[in-house]
Amino acid sequence: TQLLEQSPQFLSIQEGENLTVYCNSSSVFSSLQWYRQEPGEGPVLLVTVVTGGEVKKLKRLTFQFGDARKDSSLHITAAQPGDTGLYLCAGGGGSNYKLTFGKGTLLTVNP
Amino acid sequence: KAGVTQTPRYLIKTRGQQVTLSCSPISGHRSVSWYQQTPGQGLQFLFEYFSETQRNKGNFPGRFSGRQFSNSRSEMNVSTLELGDSALYLCASSLVPGVGQPQHFGDGTRLSIL
Repeated sequence: TQLLEQSPQFLSIQEGENLTVYCNSSSVFSSLQWYRQEPGEGPVLLVTVVTGGEVKKLKRLTFQFGDARKDSSLHITAAQPGDTGLYLCAGGGGSNYKLTFGKGTLLTVNP
Repeated sequence: KAGVTQTPRYLIKTRGQQVTLSCSPISGHRSVSWYQQTPGQGLQFLFEYFSETQRNKGNFPGRFSGRQFSNSRSEMNVSTLELGDSALYLCASSLVPGVGQPQHFGDGTRLSIL
């Protein structure tokens, strides 16, 4: 069974601060996705990373896939209240398509 | 372009009843997956359908079932409801199945069991 551990579980910061959230596993994933979910809505895909060591940037968000494809991180620079939400990582792999989700990091950015 | 539509948005049932939830994928998307989201367990995969065939199934009891129609719309059914089935049920669609395919989620059906 593939498991994804996300840390921290909760994070409350002030506007303008930087933060990093982590997604770790003992399993190798063919790809890893990050989603953001806001209250009352479904998750929205932010990025997909597929190559070990890959780094992708989306405005103030930087995503990195570990060299061994077992872990990933999301770094947010100068966080804004609009970044508030539940950040979920999801790994895919194996012969059958099946996404395994971490339990998420609930981020609150206070103005 | 219309997104994934799930109906109903909210549902209240009692133990022992059954329920059917509906999901209309994005036009042109042929793969539909279902997930259960709870505060304690997070998002857990239920099953995935492609071309009216179940391709993958998560670790849920047989009370949870689903199907997909020729127009790619999908339904999931839960029979003999239990208190622990209270959750947000999310449907996601993608063009085709496959590792790394972006999942487009609906806003879910909030199911409460009394």
